[in-house]
Amino acid sequence: KNEVEQSPQNLTAQEGEFITINCSYSVGISALHWLQQHPGGGIVSLFMLSSGKKKHGRLIATINIQEKHSSLHITASHPRDSAVYICAVATRTASKLTFGTGTRLQVTL
Amino acid sequence: EAGVTQSPTHLIKTRGQQATLRCSPISGHTSVYWYQQALGLGLQFLLWYDEGEERNRGNFPPRFSGRQFPNYSSELNVNALELEDSALYLCASSLGSSAGLEQFFGPGTRLTVL
Repeated sequence: KNEVEQSPQNLTAQEGEFITINCSYSVGISALHWLQQHPGGGIVSLFMLSSGKKKHGRLIATINIQEKHSSLHITASHPRDSAVYICAVATRTASKLTFGTGTRLQVTL
Repeated sequence: EAGVTQSPTHLIKTRGQQATLRCSPISGHTSVYWYQQALGLGLQFLLWYDEGEERNRGNFPPRFSGRQFPNYSSELNVNALELEDSALYLCASSLGSSAGLEQFFGPGTRLTVL
């Protein structure tokens, strides 16, 4: 079993839909990251959180430390949101990130 | 302020050759991380350098090595290239070595081994 599990693996949505991507992890963490990877490979850090909730524009990330679970929500999705979304965790003892396998999101008109 | 930069953008080598990939962190960042993303696979941790020293390495053979220079830039060297080394290699930097600091990623170097 991977230390970081994401679901779903693939997600297709119509423009305007509310999207949720889930991440579960099995290790103690110091922080959880949500990353966005567009075709071509470049990675952008969306959020880093260790508790509670963060919001940036149409993106919202939540984390429940007790349940070892995080969600990334996209409100009013748009085709430019199409990308791979990756959850990654930093454990309490190591700065290196352990990654989920990613969720490929396609938003259509 | 400039972000993390990597060079070259693309690199084509043949099996058995050596590849050198370079990374410049954000100014003021002392930690540099290297990650590999092979085709069809997720991102995997390769190496972590901080203050010029290797702090941790992932489950990769010794032919993957690197170093960090006094200006905190870093090199990743891959010796005796194999076909399965073809991947996107990403570098990230952070402000220090504490676990949980935000990491900022570079655009990556796409290595193709023929």
